[in-house]
Amino acid sequence: QVQLQESGPGLVKPSETLSLTCTVSGVSITTYYWSWIRQSPGKGLEWIGYIYYTGSTDYNPSLNSRVTISADMSKNQISLKLSSVTAADTAVYYCARHGSYLDYWGQGTLVTVSS
Amino acid sequence: DIVMTQSPDSLAVSLGERATINCKSSQRVLTSSNNQNYLAWYQQKPGQSPSLLIYRASTRESGVPDRFSGSGSGTDFTLTISSLQAEDVAVYYCQQYYSSPWTFGQGTKVEIK
Repeated sequence: QVQLQESGPGLVKPSETLSLTCTVSGVSITTYYWSWIRQSPGKGLEWIGYIYYTGSTDYNPSLNSRVTISADMSKNQISLKLSSVTAADTAVYYCARHGSYLDYWGQGTLVTVSS
Repeated sequence: DIVMTQSPDSLAVSLGERATINCKSSQRVLTSSNNQNYLAWYQQKPGQSPSLLIYRASTRESGVPDRFSGSGSGTDFTLTISSLQAEDVAVYYCQQYYSSPWTFGQGTKVEIK
């Protein structure tokens, strides 16, 4: 079955770059689109952006200048980099699969931005 | 950006009773090419990640109980739980995937009365 697992540091210092990886199993990342979504503590959901294995990406303009999403087909992984983080970037970060709607989600990983 | 607004923010419903959640989009999410509404509903139980309930406004995802139904078109949508069960306690989100950036409603918390 399709499984997604996010991983990465749980604590990032302000102004540094947040880096997360989503390891996908049960399906090749070449067959779908893959998104990152975040959820600030006690808040709603914010779509960050997506990637297709060809390298095609689309980012939320609210984060556009700070976001990079990439794909590693050899490892079947999707990665997220968010630069110049502040406390406002503290959130649970999810990766998810989609053709159109988001049909499989990872369990999420909490990233706290603090010195 | 398309703004998604849900109502109410929370509701308490007795077991076995109907729960109704509304979602309004600031622009139509109905495609003219295939007459589909690009609107999904997700359920997020406490401590869990969101899971897909409904897509294209009214199509239940595989494995979702038939007490969950979606309706609406254009800019106004509804998620109905026909007979609330204890396991339905969750926050429910609508989301449009009609245009980038994809956007979610603020969520509706459903509790047992």
